[in-house]
Amino acid sequence: NAGVTQTPKFRVLKTGQSMTLLCAQDMNHEYMYWYRQDPGMGLRLIHYSVGEGTTAKGEVPDGYNVSRLKKQNFLLGLESAAPSQTSVYFCASSYSVSPEQFFGPGTRLTVL
Amino acid sequence: GQQLNQSPQSMFIQEGEDVSMNCTSSSIFNTWLWYKQEPGEGPVLLIALYKAGELTSNGRLTAQFGITRKDSFLNISASIPSDVGIYFCAGPGEYNFNKFYFGSGTKLNVKP
Repeated sequence: NAGVTQTPKFRVLKTGQSMTLLCAQDMNHEYMYWYRQDPGMGLRLIHYSVGEGTTAKGEVPDGYNVSRLKKQNFLLGLESAAPSQTSVYFCASSYSVSPEQFFGPGTRLTVL
Repeated sequence: GQQLNQSPQSMFIQEGEDVSMNCTSSSIFNTWLWYKQEPGEGPVLLIALYKAGELTSNGRLTAQFGITRKDSFLNISASIPSDVGIYFCAGPGEYNFNKFYFGSGTKLNVKP
């Protein structure tokens, strides 16, 4: 099993550009999450999904959109990137009956 | 959102020493999770606690769920160089099981 994978690993964007980060999991988990991690801070929840076709806002959702068209994939979109969105983005997944989340390796995004 | 305060922020210790760190919250948590993150990787779950007063071990690691449900503690005994990393406490929100909050982390450095 690959677990949770994230694509791409690194990306540099200019202000105003758009992009999509892909998260895939092969553990048949119902729940998936997107977090951002900034220096000296813990992870903050952006959006999450409790099942295919459903999404919900987390702690810091502004400037991001998500979609969960397939159970194994969770996409995070930035429509118009801003320098404040420079961060490391982590995807995670879990079974619905467990709070234990499994994390991907992260995507380092820089917005110039 | 719910705040989790971790202390200390960083520690420099000698190999073989024991380590203690803690996490406090302004509100009640029903589950406490402890994660370790190594450079360039996503967090990995170490220990999960589900009941006030619970004491759980995972090898040299021991974690406790505080009686007040507003704190948790992690101890590492006889530290080794591979213990280096950032340790995060985390837990689901009191009113929304799907919204997870993370502490800002304790960075551990171990001198051989």
